Amino acid sequence: GAVVSQHPSWVICKSGTSVKIECRSLDFQATTMFWYRQFPKQSLMLMATSNEGSKATYEQGVEKDKFLINHASLTLSTLTVTSAHPEDSSFYICSPYRGRGNTEAFFGQGTRLTVV
Amino acid sequence: GQQLNQSPQSMFIQEGEDVSMNCTSSSIFNTWLWYKQEPGEGPVLLIALYKAGELTSNGRLTAQFGITRKDSFLNISASIPSDVGIYFCAGQRETSGSRLTFGEGTQLTVNP
Repeated sequence: GAVVSQHPSWVICKSGTSVKIECRSLDFQATTMFWYRQFPKQSLMLMATSNEGSKATYEQGVEKDKFLINHASLTLSTLTVTSAHPEDSSFYICSPYRGRGNTEAFFGQGTRLTVV
Repeated sequence: GQQLNQSPQSMFIQEGEDVSMNCTSSSIFNTWLWYKQEPGEGPVLLIALYKAGELTSNGRLTAQFGITRKDSFLNISASIPSDVGIYFCAGQRETSGSRLTFGEGTQLTVNP
């Protein structure tokens, strides 16, 4: 399987501050990066899709100005939660996609964000 | 939103028992994937299925891609305590590219 590294694994921040989450594909180049959010006892919900070097596409209901995604290289993507509020507390998971017909999706370890 | 119906939502079984869970959809999928997620971790791929009717095993796990391409099941034989976790099915449709649609998950508890 592919090696995906996501950091930090958990973070606690104060309301109004911003938090950056990094996702790296260590042994392959990711043409596309998916970012998911997961609330307790629920499934993964896709937030946005980004392609290297272009703007991300956000799912309906996800604020693009609040969840900034940067996919500047084929091995690194970042998600920044800006002006975080307690309702943003969740488990965020990245999933880099290799493309070229490879349909298996691998996931990062996830980041538990708690906004106090 | 979710378009995969996964059942059961939860299972409580004794160690050594076999487990079966399934996912159904009103849409056709080209790929079915089964994942396991443990607390505080991202999902880990268990089995990937690419052809209708395909039956694939991974140790004590067996999964099948339904003939209609609208369903899939996962079986776990002779369960052990470390099988505890949430199991998710996910599908890829031809029209959605690499995007995955997830089931709601099955919470498995194994009593020693």
